[in-house]
Amino acid sequence: GAGVSQSPSNKVTEKGKDVELRCDPISGHTALYWYRQRLGQGLEFLIYFQGNSAPDKSGLPSDRFSAERTGESVSTLTIQRTQQEDSAVYLCASSLAAGNSYEQYFGPGTRLTVT
Amino acid sequence: GENVEQHPSTLSVQEGDSAVIKCTYSDSASNYFPWYKQELGKGPQLIIDIRSNVGEKKDQRIAVTLNKTAKHFSLHITETQPEDSAVYFCAAIPGLGTSYDKVIFGPGTSLSVIP
Repeated sequence: GAGVSQSPSNKVTEKGKDVELRCDPISGHTALYWYRQRLGQGLEFLIYFQGNSAPDKSGLPSDRFSAERTGESVSTLTIQRTQQEDSAVYLCASSLAAGNSYEQYFGPGTRLTVT
Repeated sequence: GENVEQHPSTLSVQEGDSAVIKCTYSDSASNYFPWYKQELGKGPQLIIDIRSNVGEKKDQRIAVTLNKTAKHFSLHITETQPEDSAVYFCAAIPGLGTSYDKVIFGPGTSLSVIP
């Protein structure tokens, strides 16, 4: 079946512009995560959606970052007034998060470059 | 909240030798410990996981051990091959099946297998 997809795969933007990144999770997965991964670094947690619960936004680095998810489907991560330090790969992952299945399925990521 | 530490940050081994990566966690309530492998340019993928009611789990050349008393778990790769070269992330979930089921990742270990 289809895995997690993300778009765009690459995004180059000028400093100060807004960008919107999209994640399409696996159908039926209630949990959805966004991570930021700078070159050669680990996974920096940004935000966690789980079903109809209030999202865990504790990882968002500033108020320039926001994310939405409609029900258990598509999620968008928006970065306003981008800065050069926002350059990174943004990974999305979804999980069934129930029963015996808590495996996270990661998308291929969106590589964001802010010039 | 839960905190996961991982050592070493980088590891080089000769092909055919074993590799061991160790992680510690802080929340004694954590009950699920997955390991993910991230190859260059790809998202992480689950390779093995263990639950708190089990002390060891094996899958071919990889094994994971868990010491709940000491709050640490380890990944063992035997007979390493060049294709094992990747970044490995350990993780913990503080409360599988509860409202505290957010995955907490360690910082990662870059493994290089030298032919």
